[in-house]
This record gives sequence, structure tokens and C-alpha cells, in this order.
Amino acid sequence: GENVEQHPSTLSVQEGDSAVIKCTYSDSASNYFPWYKQELGKGPQLIIDIRSNVGEKKDQRIAVTLNKTAKHFSLHITETQPEDSAVYFCAASSNSNYQLIWGAGTKLIIKP
Amino acid sequence: NAGVMQNPRHLVRRRGQEARLRCSPMKGHSHVYWYRQLPEEGLKFMVYLQKENIIDESGMPKERFSAEFPKEGPSILRIQQVVRGDSAAYFCASSPRAATNTGELFFGEGSRLTVL
Repeated sequence: GENVEQHPSTLSVQEGDSAVIKCTYSDSASNYFPWYKQELGKGPQLIIDIRSNVGEKKDQRIAVTLNKTAKHFSLHITETQPEDSAVYFCAASSNSNYQLIWGAGTKLIIKP
Repeated sequence: NAGVMQNPRHLVRRRGQEARLRCSPMKGHSHVYWYRQLPEEGLKFMVYLQKENIIDESGMPKERFSAEFPKEGPSILRIQQVVRGDSAAYFCASSPRAATNTGELFFGEGSRLTVL
């Protein structure tokens, strides 16, 4: 079955710098890759997603890149701000498996 | 449009008691997913339900755990004879569509179960 690995588990960056979180997946049939942000004491919330027919997607300070050959995708946050501090989860799913398979999460800490 | 509502937000039970967690999906959503999250860990799929049907319960322990999503009312995750290892946050998510690869899952704020 699908397996999603996420790195790093913790990332500390200076406010204003960029942050990059990486995920790899095992099932070549996976075609949908969302990223969720979970703030302390709350449920995860979708921040951006990408499908396998595109290589990059941007939304203001957030971007996601996908390399289907290498089976990895990354979340990029530029000009980080204190409110970006949270746990970020990547996930993957395919047409044949409607379950989302989740990464273990990355705790992002923005230092003032 | 209210979001996904879960209650209770916090529940304390003694070993051997029963825990009932409720989830009201977003209006118009007929697909509900339950996830479990241990501290400092990711989300583990438990069960996927549509109205009156369990579609996939492969992530749910076969004993002591059950889930339902009746025609009327919220989805309920029931844990009988709780043990300390059941202590976790339980999240419910809803979707207007069947397949999660077609769009967003909307999560509730979770129910945090503590077993003494």
C-alpha cells in the first residue's frame, strides 16, 4: 500500500526566511497531494493541493512542487510570519484508494 | 454555514467505561471520516461512512470500537470498555464527495479523550 514519509519532523526558521517541507510517496498511482495546516488545539485545514498533471502550484506565499518521477512533493513558504507556526501534514491518494495517506507531520516554528 | 461540529471537545473516562463521540458534518456533506491522533503524531484513518452505511472500517479496531452515521442526526464513534491506550484526539472530517482525491476534507476541532 501507499506510504508517505515527511521531513523534517521539526523546522525552526527566522521570521521572514523561507521554509521547505518535503514528502515522498511510494505508490506511483497516487495523483492527489494536499497539504494541511494544524494549529494548536484545532483540526487540520487544507492550505494547498496539487494534482499529478501539474508540477507546481502557488497561492500567495505558499507553493507546492511535485516531481512524479522521483515521487516526492514539497511545500514552500516564503516570507514566513509568526502565524505560520503550526504543524503541517502532507498526504497522498489515488483514484483506486480514496483514503488519504498522511505524513507524520512537521512542526514549523517561526522565530521572531 | 457552520463547520464540522464535534462534541464533546474533552472527555474523561475511567478504564472500562464507554466513550461516545459525536460529529455533525457540514451542511450538505454526506461523507464522514474519523481519524485518531496521538500526541506529536500524524492522523490515522479509522473509518469512512456515508449516510446509514459504513464504507470502509479497515482502520478501526475490530473490538470495542464502532461507528455509525444514521439517516438523521450526527455520526457517532463509540468506544466500549476504554483502556488507557485509547487516550487520543479523535477528529471527524466531512466531504461532499466520495473520493478524497477530488477535493478538500473539512475537519472538526476534535474530541480529546483521556482515560484515567
